[in-house]
Amino acid sequence: KAGVTQTPRYLIKTRGQQVTLSCSPISGHRSVSWYQQTPGQGLQFLFEYFSETQRNKGNFPGRFSGRQFSNSRSEMNVSTLELGDSALYLCASSLSGVDGYTFGSGTRLTVV
Amino acid sequence: ELKVEQNPLFLSMQEGKNYTIYCNYSTTSDRLYWYRQDPGKSLESLFVLLSNGAVKQEGRLMASLDTKARLSTLHITAAVHDLSATYFCAVDRDTDKLIFGTGTRLQVFP
Repeated sequence: KAGVTQTPRYLIKTRGQQVTLSCSPISGHRSVSWYQQTPGQGLQFLFEYFSETQRNKGNFPGRFSGRQFSNSRSEMNVSTLELGDSALYLCASSLSGVDGYTFGSGTRLTVV
Repeated sequence: ELKVEQNPLFLSMQEGKNYTIYCNYSTTSDRLYWYRQDPGKSLESLFVLLSNGAVKQEGRLMASLDTKARLSTLHITAAVHDLSATYFCAVDRDTDKLIFGTGTRLQVFP
């Protein structure tokens, strides 16, 4: 079966710009969560959506936002980009926590 | 606040040797996960541990969970070069929010 698909794979943006990342979960999975990975902070939870509702949010500024569509696809948006937003952004989908979480290949964002 | 600690942070092993990675977490958790990450790649799921005393094995890797001690271990048997990667443990509390450990970078040399 198809895995979790994230697009684009790589992005280079300038400080102050905004960016939108996309995640398509495994078919049938309704939970989508987002994580940021940096060398300094490690893997940090951004937010989680289930059936178009945000159920959980991590400790990130309001510049980070997301949404989920009726087909379970999710997008995250980062506005007013800062150099510190450079990271690997990972999306995970799950049927339930018991079954585990499957991660996509990630989007590597570089802010210059 | 739930915190997850892994040790060691870095592990250099000779092929054929055995070693254990430890994962401690600070409060009661419902589930514990182990992931592998190769450089520049995403996270690959290794194990999902759901209950006290759970033990799972796949090839040269074996994971166990002791919920009373809030401890999980990932044991590597007769290491081979292909196991070189970074290993993460993560926990959640039925909130669909994973809290990750710092990761253990494993390097296996001949």
